Amino acid sequence: KAGVTQTPRYLIKTRGQQVTLSCSPISGHRSVSWYQQTPGQGLQFLFEYFSETQRNKGNFPGRFSGRQFSNSRSEMNVSTLELGDSALYLCASSQGLALSYEQYFGPGTRLTVT
Amino acid sequence: AQRVTQPEKLLSVFKGAPVELKCNYSYSGSPELFWYVQYSRQRLQLLLRHISRESIKGFTADLNKGETSFHLKKPFAQEEDSAMYYCALYQGGKLIFGQGTELSVKP
Repeated sequence: KAGVTQTPRYLIKTRGQQVTLSCSPISGHRSVSWYQQTPGQGLQFLFEYFSETQRNKGNFPGRFSGRQFSNSRSEMNVSTLELGDSALYLCASSQGLALSYEQYFGPGTRLTVT
Repeated sequence: AQRVTQPEKLLSVFKGAPVELKCNYSYSGSPELFWYVQYSRQRLQLLLRHISRESIKGFTADLNKGETSFHLKKPFAQEEDSAMYYCALYQGGKLIFGQGTELSVKP
């Protein structure tokens, strides 16, 4: 089985721009969660999608949004980028909601905001 | 607020020595706790969860509600155990991670 894939792997953007990151889950997995990883704050939960619906959301401003498609692929969007948004963004997929099933992580997208 | 604390950023032991990675949590209910591991140049992966009470790669973790701890232990460390270890608490639909402890096992 192919693992979780994330595109692009690296991205450089300028303050004020917006960005869209993509996550393709393992085949058959219906839940996708997103995390932000920074040296200062560590790993922080952004949101979880299951069956195209956002089920849970972390404490991030509304500039961070996401969606999930019928094939379970998910996208995350960050609008009006700030320098502090520079981070590694990880997505993880699981068969069901994160509590009950093991999450499988992707390699991450490294976003740099200049 | 729920919190997960891993007091050691770096833990260095010799091969064959016992290892204990500390994790303390702040949560008033019944916690769902996990340990995740990230080996060099590999993805973050689940190591174990407390509800399964299993031993993975020789590691065990016991939930101590009185001390609000979920320390990860292994009696004899191996060089291949060198990695970044994260303790995580699942609550309210969110996985809350600790800051992580880097374990270095020296030959």
